[in-house]
Amino acid sequence: NAGVMQNPRHLVRRRGQEARLRCSPMKGHSHVYWYRQLPEEGLKFMVYLQKENIIDESGMPKERFSAEFPKEGPSILRIQQVVRGDSAAYFCASSPGTPYTGELFFGEGSRLTVL
Amino acid sequence: KNEVEQSPQNLTAQEGEFITINCSYSVGISALHWLQQHPGGGIVSLFMLSSGKKKHGRLIATINIQEKHSSLHITASHPRDSAVYICAVLNSGGSNYKLTFGKGTLLTVNP
Repeated sequence: NAGVMQNPRHLVRRRGQEARLRCSPMKGHSHVYWYRQLPEEGLKFMVYLQKENIIDESGMPKERFSAEFPKEGPSILRIQQVVRGDSAAYFCASSPGTPYTGELFFGEGSRLTVL
Repeated sequence: KNEVEQSPQNLTAQEGEFITINCSYSVGISALHWLQQHPGGGIVSLFMLSSGKKKHGRLIATINIQEKHSSLHITASHPRDSAVYICAVLNSGGSNYKLTFGKGTLLTVNP
């Protein structure tokens, strides 16, 4: 059973370009969470999705950021018109239920660098 | 003040030493996670606790709900334990899925 797969592992974008980060949860997991880790800072919750539904996006910046988890395929975190402050590691995690059930699995992260 | 505080921020030990990392939080919680992150690598969930104590191999995690405090202990530390250890809590007053993270403790174990 493969773990949580994130790609790309590293992404370089110039200011104004778009970044798309993908996350394939573990088989059988229908809950996906995205977190951002800024340099020298702790992880911060961004968004919680279930298949075809955004449950909570309160941690997402109001503009330029969007997330989806379609019926088929991976979850996508999309950042439009990237700025240097978007440079960070973006982690995805999945669980069969909420994190309270204890089973929470993280991916290796996608490291975005904005030039 | 952050809701989740870890100490120490950095810890250097010699191989074989007993390690303790502390986590204090200021809110009521339903559960607490201990995570491990290797430099440039992914994150692994080590434990989830809501009370008492758990043990996996050389790792022991304890939590005192009344004192709002948790500790992660590593017995007989080894250089491969070198990593960032992160405490994260689920706030009992809010959603049961939104984790709040500490800033992490960087552990270096020298041979």
